[in-house]
Amino acid sequence: SQQGEEDPQALSIQEGENATMNCSYKTSINNLQWYRQNSGRGLVHLILIRSNEREKHSGRLRVTLDTSKKSSSLLITASRAADTASYFCATSRLESSYDKVIFGPGTSLSVIP
Amino acid sequence: EAQVTQNPRYLITVTGKKLTVTCSQNMNHEYMSWYRQDPGLGLRQIYYSMNVEVTDKGDVPEGYKVSRKEKRNFPLILESPSPNQTSLYFCASSRQRGVYEQYFGPGTRLTVT
Repeated sequence: SQQGEEDPQALSIQEGENATMNCSYKTSINNLQWYRQNSGRGLVHLILIRSNEREKHSGRLRVTLDTSKKSSSLLITASRAADTASYFCATSRLESSYDKVIFGPGTSLSVIP
Repeated sequence: EAQVTQNPRYLITVTGKKLTVTCSQNMNHEYMSWYRQDPGLGLRQIYYSMNVEVTDKGDVPEGYKVSRKEKRNFPLILESPSPNQTSLYFCASSRQRGVYEQYFGPGTRLTVT
């Protein structure tokens, strides 16, 4: 089964609103990363949060991590049409002495102008 | 400019005709990886390489080969492509597996008829 699962699968909001996406995972992790993908293009790294961190910010992005609940959230404030994309969480956990990275299925965000 | 390049970007081929998708990075990254992305399945890792001459299978390696003779290059080889390998392929690189963010190439859309 997948390590990371994003929720919701799809989200549609008006420009200016905040968008919140969640990621749940099953086993302990070393870090969790969020990526953005514009339609049919390569993924772009947004934020990496380590297991001993609880919150990180980058511009309009805020990521939280709750290791007790095995979940993370990505908040995009004051959304713009250009934020329309798919967002993926990727969890990294130690497996066979190496860090294994697994991507979730993604949340598709539509920001309506 | 730090980047991962892939070629070709689009490829239509026939069953059984060997093909190679090239991947190159200019960031001196040790770790490189190939993913395929299919609707509803997210990104699945095909093969990865921890360093030159060190490669290993990911989650869906059947039907693929890779090599890592130089640090910057990590080609993906389909010896005998089949229609179920029709997909969007991404190459990625990172300073170190799982610990740092991955940089993704622009993708190669492959159609096998």
